[in-house]
Amino acid sequence: AQRVTQPEKLLSVFKGAPVELKCNYSYSGSPELFWYVQYSRQRLQLLLRHISRESIKGFTADLNKGETSFHLKKPFAQEEDSAMYYCALSGSSNTGKLIFGQGTTLQVKP
Amino acid sequence: KAGVTQTPRYLIKTRGQQVTLSCSPISGHRSVSWYQQTPGQGLQFLFEYFSETQRNKGNFPGRFSGRQFSNSRSEMNVSTLELGDSALYLCASSLEGLNIQYFGAGTRLSVL
Repeated sequence: AQRVTQPEKLLSVFKGAPVELKCNYSYSGSPELFWYVQYSRQRLQLLLRHISRESIKGFTADLNKGETSFHLKKPFAQEEDSAMYYCALSGSSNTGKLIFGQGTTLQVKP
Repeated sequence: KAGVTQTPRYLIKTRGQQVTLSCSPISGHRSVSWYQQTPGQGLQFLFEYFSETQRNKGNFPGRFSGRQFSNSRSEMNVSTLELGDSALYLCASSLEGLNIQYFGAGTRLSVL
């Protein structure tokens, strides 16, 4: 079965603390993994994708095929990082279809 | 470039009615995907259209249907509305060959 699991509904950290948002997936094949973010009163937008291997807004995510994980990390959280984060996967031949996790709300306290 | 536009933003319907939601993709994007977002089930894929053809379909009943026009604009229709259809319906468009989806602000449907 194709599934994305984000075990934490809410992650609360203080400004300057490291952040790790967990994402595990189940997919038979070679998926493409994404992190999407939704800031307050804004639309859902792409944060990063595993094939880009970029750091966006200080966030990075590494695909670990052995552990079927794609955790999102940032060494020093900022208040403006507070948002809802969704991990999602797409099958390599299934563009146009994203399977989302339930989302994690990141709250960065001053 | 204008983003993905969804209309209307809000809808209130009663059980048994039908509803049509509209999505205008970013200019040049030919793929349009639809998602249902509810507090209980999260974001669930409904279907995807490309060049006026349904290319992917999620696990929703036949009451949920869609179509795409030659200008890539898409509509989704829900017939015989049920209370459980109350949700935020999101549309996303993407450029063929680039697996990045750009989302609209959504249409919030309330079924009474």
